[in-house]
Amino acid sequence: GAVVSQHPSWVICKSGTSVKIECRSLDFQATTMFWYRQFPKQSLMLMATSNEGSKATYEQGVEKDKFLINHASLTLSTLTVTSAHPEDSSFYICSARLPNLAGKYNEQFFGPGTRLTVL
Amino acid sequence: LAKTTQPISMDSYEGQEVNITCSHNNIATNDYITWYQQFPSQGPRFIIQGYKTKVTNEVASLFIPADRKSSTLSLPRVSLSDTAVYYCLVLNTDKLIFGTGTRLQVFP
Repeated sequence: GAVVSQHPSWVICKSGTSVKIECRSLDFQATTMFWYRQFPKQSLMLMATSNEGSKATYEQGVEKDKFLINHASLTLSTLTVTSAHPEDSSFYICSARLPNLAGKYNEQFFGPGTRLTVL
Repeated sequence: LAKTTQPISMDSYEGQEVNITCSHNNIATNDYITWYQQFPSQGPRFIIQGYKTKVTNEVASLFIPADRKSSTLSLPRVSLSDTAVYYCLVLNTDKLIFGTGTRLQVFP
């Protein structure tokens, strides 16, 4: 299947700093990528849809100025957590969608996730 | 988007068949039923998808009754490595909205 990578796999930062997380589709082009956040023992929460060459679409309640998303190429989307605070500590996961295939609908491939800890 | 309801947790033993049922009473005509699996500290992984009747792949089977208001994910002969959270999603768009999922614990 298709492979999606994330970098870094984990990061620890001080409160007030910004952190950039990269999401790459390694063997396919993804015009659309998605960013999720997951707190311990909870489900994934969709944060935003990242569209190549255009602005991201954020879900209700997600601050676009705090979570900056850039999808500069067909294989790379970045999520920057600006002025991070301890409450931003979470597991951030990206996914990329393959074009719809016969018999399948919107199958998505997920990255391994990035664990962010803000001190 | 159709809301899904599934058991919070299930226990099983190695070698047993596990059936996880998901309710989606408000499923729309264009909706597909999709299941994902997630291990701790990893991204979810696609398991199976179906629209109606039965779908089977090398990992699982998905049973969907005629009214499509529920679906059952069947895992044959589970092993310890099947311990994970299983999410049922009903979708017809790009956006995946995850519910609470079912935490499956497999014991030796």
